[in-house]
Formats: sequence, structure tokens, C-alpha cells
Amino acid sequence: DAMVIQNPRYQVTQFGKPVTLSCSQTLNHNVMYWYQQKSSQAPKLLFHYYDKDFNNEADTPDNFQSRRPNTSFCFLDIRSPGLGDAAMYLCATSRHRGGGYNEQFFGPGTRLTVL
Amino acid sequence: GQQVMQIPQYQHVQEGEDFTTYCNSSTTLSNIQWYKQRPGGHPVFLIQLVKSGEVKKQKRLTFQFGEAKKNSSLHITATQTTDVGTYFCAGLDTNAGKSTFGDGTTLTVKP
Repeated sequence: DAMVIQNPRYQVTQFGKPVTLSCSQTLNHNVMYWYQQKSSQAPKLLFHYYDKDFNNEADTPDNFQSRRPNTSFCFLDIRSPGLGDAAMYLCATSRHRGGGYNEQFFGPGTRLTVL
Repeated sequence: GQQVMQIPQYQHVQEGEDFTTYCNSSTTLSNIQWYKQRPGGHPVFLIQLVKSGEVKKQKRLTFQFGEAKKNSSLHITATQTTDVGTYFCAGLDTNAGKSTFGDGTTLTVKP
């Protein structure tokens, strides 16, 4: 089945130790999103790619970076995780950003713990 | 920037009662989507509304898009325990080029 896959499902890192989360999709969608979701809160958009075009949210800390080497894969790099970065990180895809084709398909998420 | 507000934040109902959540945007929307997130799960797309005044139904769920395309509602008739979860609206602002999620309404259903 076409889907959005995130690895790992659970990630434990130490304060300040760089960590990379990965997302892959078999939907061949143009857009890939990264969200941060903390307990009992809405998903917070960090950035998204439309094909190779990177779109950062104004309030996303510089500590968060992303790479999209090809259509299928997208990575979230946290350069120096702080305790406040502990959260669920959700990857999502959509065919386009609008025009009736912006339905988002979410992966299962990666739960990040920072010690 | 665009703001999308959702009320109520929490709703507790007895099984069989109805439930409604409301979504309001600070800007006119191109479309609005609704997602459901079960406890411990990820958001799952339910439906998209595009036209002014549009109403769509999915079994016991009724979705409406306001005439001004700035508000929407989700109504569940005769809730069941399988309806528990958090319901998010997400409004697409064409000028912003992205959708903004509301804060969600968490529904609990008492058997």
C-alpha cells in the first residue's frame, strides 16, 4: 500500500546531541511537511518542501533543518536538541499545496525524547 | 498571519448524544479540511470542503462550510465510543500557500 513511513518510531537523544529523523513516501507526492506536536496541542508546521523548494516557517528555530534529497525522502535534522524539543514529529505529504489536492497524508510519527 | 480557532477545546458526552465542533478563520479560506487523531495516533484526513455553504455527510458526521468561507463545523449525531479522539480543522489560505491547523477539539464519549 502507498504510504508515509517514518523512522525511527521512537528516538532517544542526549541534550545537545544532533539527531536526524527520516520520512519516506510511496505516494509520489510533490509536497512533504514536517510538524512538531506536543501533548494535547495541534501539529505545528516547521517547514515544507514543494518539490525541491524549501519553505521555512517564520517561527521555526534555526536548530531545525531539513533535507529532501529526492521525491521520496525527507529528513529532519535537530542540530542541538534541547529539553523543549521533546515531542512527536509528524511527517506528512500532499499532492499539491492547493487546488483541491492538498489533502495531507500523515506518517505514524517519531516520538523524540531528550535526556 | 492567518489564525484558525476551534471551539470547544474539550467535549465530554454520553454515548448517543450529539457533538459539534466549530472552526473559525481570521481570513477567507480556499478550502477547509477536517482530520481526526485517535489517542496515540496520527491525524487522518476525513473530508475537504471547497464551496461556499457546502454541506457534506459521512454516515453520522455532517460537515459545513460557511457562506463567507471563514468558518466551518463538524457535527456528529448519536456519538459512539469509536468517535473518541481529537478533531482538527485545517484551513487553506491561498495567499499564505499553506494550511493552518486549528487547536483541535478533544472528544471523550462515556459508554
